[in-house]
Formats: sequence, C-alpha cells, structure tokens
Amino acid sequence: AQSVSQHNHHVILSEAASLELGCNYSYGGTVNLFWYVQYPGQHLQLLLKYFSGDPLVKGIKGFEAEFIKSKFSFNLRKPSVQWSDTAEYFCAAQYNFNKFYFGSGTKLNVKP
Amino acid sequence: EAGVAQSPRYKIIEKRQSVAFWCNPISGHATLYWYQQILGQGPKLLIQFQNNGVVDDSQLPKDRFSAERLKGVDSTLKIQPAKLEDSAVYLCASSSRTGGETQYFGPGTRLLVL
Repeated sequence: AQSVSQHNHHVILSEAASLELGCNYSYGGTVNLFWYVQYPGQHLQLLLKYFSGDPLVKGIKGFEAEFIKSKFSFNLRKPSVQWSDTAEYFCAAQYNFNKFYFGSGTKLNVKP
Repeated sequence: EAGVAQSPRYKIIEKRQSVAFWCNPISGHATLYWYQQILGQGPKLLIQFQNNGVVDDSQLPKDRFSAERLKGVDSTLKIQPAKLEDSAVYLCASSSRTGGETQYFGPGTRLLVL
C-alpha cells in the first residue's frame, strides 16, 4: 500500500544546530514529493517540492531536501536552525499525479 | 489574493448528530481537497474534486460522510451521523490543477464529538 513514514516524531535542537528530518515513501508508481510546515497558529504551507530533475531541491527559509530514489527517501535538511523554525513538519507524496499521502509529522522545537 | 476560507472554525456536537463544513477555495483553483487530521496524525485525504467531478474518494467513509462541490467552486463536507472517532480537524485545500501543484490549505474546522 502507498504510504509515507516520518520516523522522528519530536526533535529538540538548539539554535544554530543542523537539522535533518527523515521521510520515506513506499513504492507506488510515479511520485511527487513535498514538505509542508505548520507554524504555531498558522495554516499548513509548502516548504518545497520535488517532481523530477535535480534530486537536491531548495525551498523557502534555507530548507533543502534530497530525493534518493534507491532509498525511497526525501529527507529535509537545514544547516543552521533558528528559533523561528519551531513548527510541525509534514512530508507528503502524490502517487501517479493523483493520490496524496501525508506522513504523521515531526514536531521541531528549537531552543533559543 | 484571498486564501482558502473554511467555516465554522470550531464545532461541538453529540454523537449521532449531523454536521456540515463549508470551504471556499482560492479563486480559479480547479482542484479542491478535503482532509481529516486526527490529533497526532498527518492529514488523511478524504476526497479530491477536479472542478465539480470527484477524482478520488477512496478513503471517504461513504456510509456517513458525503461531499459535494456544486458549480465547481464552494464545497460542503457532511457527516451524518457523527461518531466519537470523527473528532478531528477537517482541512480544505485547493490547487490550480491536479498533478503536483502546490496545495493551499485553509485554517481547518476543529470538530469535537461528545
């Protein structure tokens, strides 16, 4: 069955630390990949997306993600986090330009 | 541009009652999605519309949930009758077309079933 897994449910970092959040998706045909973020009290919004081409995707606010097809992974990274990055992060996959699946989310808490 | 609008923002009902949620997508967006997000989980797609036609409703519990998108604009999601396990945030999102476009999410409706 098609699915998306996020293994880190809660991450706590100090400011300036590096971040990597894991995301794995199951095989299911053509896949588009997304990272969404939900800041406290705000709507879900897109951080970045991958359809094809360069497997290293850059998004807003200094975030990037790398698509590794052989590992079915799409991990999110940021070299140096800020307190304002405190939020919940969701990985999502769209299969065959149709069905969307979201992971269970990772809550990031950045300590000032 | 105006974002995705949803109402009500909060709703408390008793089990076996009915409830309806409304969504107004971003103007011109052909694709509309309804998601259910239970506490501690990620959003689960319930139904996807392309204009006023259903693209995917495979995860919609059709014995109690229904949705419509008349005229390809606004949409309504209904639960009848509600169960305790329906307590969740119901999110509406829209995109300019299907096939990988960015989804824009509304604020959600938080439903509590007692």
